[in-house]
Parts: sequence; structure tokens; C-alpha cells
Amino acid sequence: SQKIEQNSEALNIQEGKTATLTCNYTNYSPAYLQWYRQDPGRGPVFLLLIRENEKEKRKERLKVTFDTTLKQSLFHITASQPADSATYLCALPTTSGTYKYIFGTGTRLKVLA
Amino acid sequence: DVKVTQSSRYLVKRTGEKVFLECVQDMDHENMFWYRQDPGLGLRLIYFSYDVKMKEKGDIPEGYSVSREKKERFSLILESASTNQTSMYLCASTWELDRGVTDTQYFGPGTRLTVL
Repeated sequence: SQKIEQNSEALNIQEGKTATLTCNYTNYSPAYLQWYRQDPGRGPVFLLLIRENEKEKRKERLKVTFDTTLKQSLFHITASQPADSATYLCALPTTSGTYKYIFGTGTRLKVLA
Repeated sequence: DVKVTQSSRYLVKRTGEKVFLECVQDMDHENMFWYRQDPGLGLRLIYFSYDVKMKEKGDIPEGYSVSREKKERFSLILESASTNQTSMYLCASTWELDRGVTDTQYFGPGTRLTVL
């Protein structure tokens, strides 16, 4: 069955550094992948979508890569700020094409001032 | 700006009560979803709807039902609440890009339900 894995351990980094979060998936070849940000007690907010034919996508300080051979996506935040502290989720559409998504459990990022 | 609203941010109910959670979106989205989110388990799909009066079970539909009488409104019903339904409930909506293919999911703020 399809599976997504994100590092469940929190990631602490110093302000100004680049944070890198990982999303691995198995038994699956998704046409695209999404990243969301979730703050405590709130709903996820969409950040970026990357398609299988795109190796890299950028939006301001965010960068996402998609390696279909490794079955992995990396999410980078450059020049990180304490305001970037949140949980980041990756999500993929299921193969059934029936409107469903699989979400990872998320990685909690804490940027230290 | 897309807006998805949920009827309550926090709700406390007793075991056996019937609970209604409402979700409204203002962008004419075809698809609407109900998830629950629990620590270590991530978001799990309960039900979704791809059109008015249409619904399909998600991964964990047991103990829940849904209603979609109008395009903008999707309700989740707990027929007889139990303590294991204590959770964060999230509603989401999307456009349909193509048959069975959806776009970015827009989430509501969530309802933290506690069943005593």
C-alpha cells in the first residue's frame, strides 16, 4: 500500500540557517506532491506543489525538490526565521484518482533566535 | 481569498450525544473533505463529497456520517459520540481539475472535539 514517511522528530535549527525537511514515499509514483504548513491548533495551509516532471520549485525563501528515482521530496527554507517554526506536512494524491490525498504525519520545525 | 469556515473551534460533548460539525466554503468548490488529525497518525480521511448529495467513504468512516445538501456546506455527524472520537476535525475543499483529480486543498481552522 502507499506510504509516506516524514521524520517525526522535531528539527531545531538556528535562525539564518537553511532548514531541510524530508518526505519519502513508497509503492507509488505520484504525478505531483504538495507541501503544507500547519501551526498549532490550526488547519494546514498550502505552500507549494511540484509535479513529477519538475525537479525543483521555488517560492521566495522556500525550495522544493522532487526525485522520482529516490521517491523523495526535500523541502528547504533558506535564511530561516523564528516565524517559520511550525509543522510541515507533505501530501500526495492517491493512485485511485478518486479525490483522495495521503498526508505525512509532519515534521515539527523550531527556528531558534 | 478562499475561505473555509467551521462552526466551532472547540466543542465538548458527552458520550452518546449526537454531534454536528459544519463546514462552509465560499469558492464554489466541487469537492469537500472531512479529516481527523491525531498525534502520530497524521490526517486521516473520514468522508468526502465530490458533488451535492454525493459522498464517498474515506479511510475511517465508522461512527460517522455526512450530509451535503448545498454545494457550499458539508456536515459531519457523529451519531453517538464516543471517547475515541476525541480529536481535531478538519474540513477541506478543492476545485476539480479533471475527473478524479483535485487541486490544492484549502483547510478550515479545525474543530477540537472532546468527548467525555
